[in-house]
Amino acid sequence: HLQLQESGPGLVKPSETLSLTCSVSGTSIGDSAYFWGWVRQPPGKGLEWIGTIYNSGTTYYNPSLESRVSVSVDTSENQFSLTLKTVTAADTAIYYCATGPDSTVGDIFDDWGQGTLVTVSS
Amino acid sequence: DIQMTQSPSLLSASVGDTVTISCRASQDISDSLVWYQQKPEKPPNSLIHASSILQSGVPSRFSGSGSGTHFTLTISSLQPEDFATYYCQQYNDYPITFGQGTRLEIK
Repeated sequence: HLQLQESGPGLVKPSETLSLTCSVSGTSIGDSAYFWGWVRQPPGKGLEWIGTIYNSGTTYYNPSLESRVSVSVDTSENQFSLTLKTVTAADTAIYYCATGPDSTVGDIFDDWGQGTLVTVSS
Repeated sequence: DIQMTQSPSLLSASVGDTVTISCRASQDISDSLVWYQQKPEKPPNSLIHASSILQSGVPSRFSGSGSGTHFTLTISSLQPEDFATYYCQQYNDYPITFGQGTRLEIK
């Protein structure tokens, strides 16, 4: 199993940009056969997929967020990142980074970070 | 988008019971379905993928079935640690979508 750990600000002001990083242990992110993704969960609610990036550089985003979201990989730091622009209170959630095997099967999230609560408030 | 609908939303049961959770997809997803268990303040944990394949380390009292649009998760002989929220997720196509969750509580 891989170990993932999210980091970033816990409070973001409305209209500003949310930026989170996920540090990866147990594999070299650039050499591995995994995809890297983000999922969020508003407090007390269900899971929402945000986006996925493959080692090929291909990205997929939730259409409901696509105009505001970006996922990228930093191989030098062995981490991947989430950027969400122009946030509102509706973006308040626990943000999880997650990963699974890069295969033709699809996105099965085998390993997850512990999650980080991001609150959007002035 | 493929909509995933779980039922029931809340399920009350006792230790030792056998329970079944249903997940329906709005279109054919073949067997591209994973089940997760989530306990309070914890991330989800994958239990079953490809509709019926148990993840390594998951107890055999968990089983999954289904194909196409209708899927079920069955938990036999419920143990105290099984009381949690369960989610289905389709990975047949983007966007990835989850069911709304089924909370399994102690009766």
